[in-house]
Amino acid sequence: KAGVTQTPRYLIKTRGQQVTLSCSPISGHRSVSWYQQTPGQGLQFLFEYFSETQRNKGNFPGRFSGRQFSNSRSEMNVSTLELGDSALYLCASSLEAGGGYNEQFFGPGTRLTVL
Amino acid sequence: EDKVVQSPLSLVVHEGDTVTLNCSYEVTNFRSLLWYKQEKKAPTFLFMLTSSGIEKKSGRLSSILDKKELFSILNITATQTGDSAVYLCAATNRDDKIIFGKGTRLHILP
Repeated sequence: KAGVTQTPRYLIKTRGQQVTLSCSPISGHRSVSWYQQTPGQGLQFLFEYFSETQRNKGNFPGRFSGRQFSNSRSEMNVSTLELGDSALYLCASSLEAGGGYNEQFFGPGTRLTVL
Repeated sequence: EDKVVQSPLSLVVHEGDTVTLNCSYEVTNFRSLLWYKQEKKAPTFLFMLTSSGIEKKSGRLSSILDKKELFSILNITATQTGDSAVYLCAATNRDDKIIFGKGTRLHILP
């Protein structure tokens, strides 16, 4: 069974631009969660989507948004990029909603660098 | 504010040693405690703990949760160089919010 895939793997943008990251969950998984990982803040929860609905959101500004499609694939968008948005963005999928009680499988991440 | 604190932040030991990694948490409406291993990019799931005092084991790794004292430990016995990684602890609440600690970077010397 194929694992979680994320595209692109690496991305370089400049301040003020916007970016869209993509995540394809494991086949049959309906929940996709997004995380931001930086050396200073560690791994931080962005949001979770289940059945095309955002069911949970972390403490990030509105510039961070996402969506989920009917095939469970998810995209994350960051608008008006800031230098501090440089990070590894990880997505994780699970069979059911709730990463707190359903095992999550992480993708390899997208390394975003904002210049 | 909910928080998860891991200690030590980094640890260097020799192959064959036993290590104990610590995770304390303060989370309102706590639901579960999770441990992950992150070697390069993708964290991999190790344990999920919801009940106090029940040890979970997987090979040389084991973990236990103390809900009274609000902490968990991850033990690795007979360490191998392949155990070198960042170990992440996370706590979740009943609203499915997940809060990660900063991780413990473990390096095993051959």
